[in-house]
Amino acid sequence: SQQGEEDPQALSIQEGENATMNCSYKTSINNLQWYRQNSGRGLVHLILIRSNEREKHSGRLRVTLDTSKKSSSLLITASRAADTASYFCATDPASTSGTYKYIFGTGTRLKVLA
Amino acid sequence: ETGVTQSPTHLIKTRGQQVTLRCSSQSGHNTVSWYQQALGQGPQFIFQYYREEENGRGNFPPRFSGLQFPNYSSELNVNALELDDSALYLCASIPSRLGNEQFFGPGTRLTVL
Repeated sequence: SQQGEEDPQALSIQEGENATMNCSYKTSINNLQWYRQNSGRGLVHLILIRSNEREKHSGRLRVTLDTSKKSSSLLITASRAADTASYFCATDPASTSGTYKYIFGTGTRLKVLA
Repeated sequence: ETGVTQSPTHLIKTRGQQVTLRCSSQSGHNTVSWYQQALGQGPQFIFQYYREEENGRGNFPPRFSGLQFPNYSSELNVNALELDDSALYLCASIPSRLGNEQFFGPGTRLTVL
């Protein structure tokens, strides 16, 4: 079963705009990661945020984590056509410490129009 | 490029057959996880191997089994294939048992007819 759910399921924006996608999860976590997937290929790790962190930045990416609401958001600023992909959050549940049984959400399909 | 390779890229099998998928991890990555990703869904955790021992399993039946070898390669075996096994199978290697970033291979697309 999926631990997380991304919202929205699909997002279409113009190049240069910002894209925000959200992830909600069900159980306590050690960390949360965001991944990008292009056209059903392998996933690429974007950023990891630990349960004791509230915000992280990496280039044009900003991730926030609210453990009280069990939610995270990924913001992509100044989007480019190359950002078109599916984005997934993955959680490392605290209950499975030592196994790294990452649980993925359902994904947000982002389309950036040139 | 993540340095993780998978073979074959695509595979077509019929119901009831058996299949072996292969993954080659980065040198030094002694943990590997396997995921199944159905079309339009997120990846689902099948199992994880650490130093050639199974180190956690998701909600998959015993006909899904695996092996990990000392040379950082691993296999996913699926017996008695069912139509619902059609999916993209991904392996991910992890640099250390302390977690952090997973490095994914490009996946094997399995179609069961």
